[in-house]
Amino acid sequence: AQSVSQHNHHVILSEAASLELGCNYSYGGTVNLFWYVQYPGQHLQLLLKYFSGDPLVKGIKGFEAEFIKSKFSFNLRKPSVQWSDTAEYFCAVGSGNTGKLIFGQGTTLQVKP
Amino acid sequence: NAGVTQTPKFQVLKTGQSMTLQCAQDMNHEYMSWYRQDPGMGLRLIHYSVGAGITDQGEVPNGYNVSRSTTEDFPLRLLSAAPSQTSVYFCASSSSGGRAYNEQFFGPGTRLTVL
Repeated sequence: AQSVSQHNHHVILSEAASLELGCNYSYGGTVNLFWYVQYPGQHLQLLLKYFSGDPLVKGIKGFEAEFIKSKFSFNLRKPSVQWSDTAEYFCAVGSGNTGKLIFGQGTTLQVKP
Repeated sequence: NAGVTQTPKFQVLKTGQSMTLQCAQDMNHEYMSWYRQDPGMGLRLIHYSVGAGITDQGEVPNGYNVSRSTTEDFPLRLLSAAPSQTSVYFCASSSSGGRAYNEQFFGPGTRLTVL
């Protein structure tokens, strides 16, 4: 069965620090990869997605992620975080033939001003 | 476009009561799904539908029913609420076709408490 693992459950950073959130998945076939963000009290919004092509994808608000097929990973990065990045971040994986998404457990990011 | 809408935003039920969570989308998306979000567990798929008249179970379907009579609406029914169903429920939709099939758009959520 497919599964998604996010290694960091709670991350605390100071403003301007660099961010990297880990995501690994288990699925041997073709996958679609996503990072969603949920700001406090709001619904999930898409940060970025990978379908094919350049494994380094750029999303909104300065976020980027790198797909490393050999490591089954899709880590999220941002060079310099802001207080407004405080939110919960979810990695999700879907296979091309269904509409199902499997989500990781989520990572809560707290950015201190 | 309103996108994906959900009602109500908040609900408190007593154990054993029934209710329906409403979900509608105006993007003509074929695929719709319901998730529940619990602390430390991410989002788990309850039921999903690939089109009107077609539904299937997700990861945690027990205690929930769904139907899809129109493309726009995908209600989630709790037949006999239990405290274990206290959660935040999200509805999502996506278009079909190709790899974009999985890019889902989420509603604002319904926070349900079962006493």
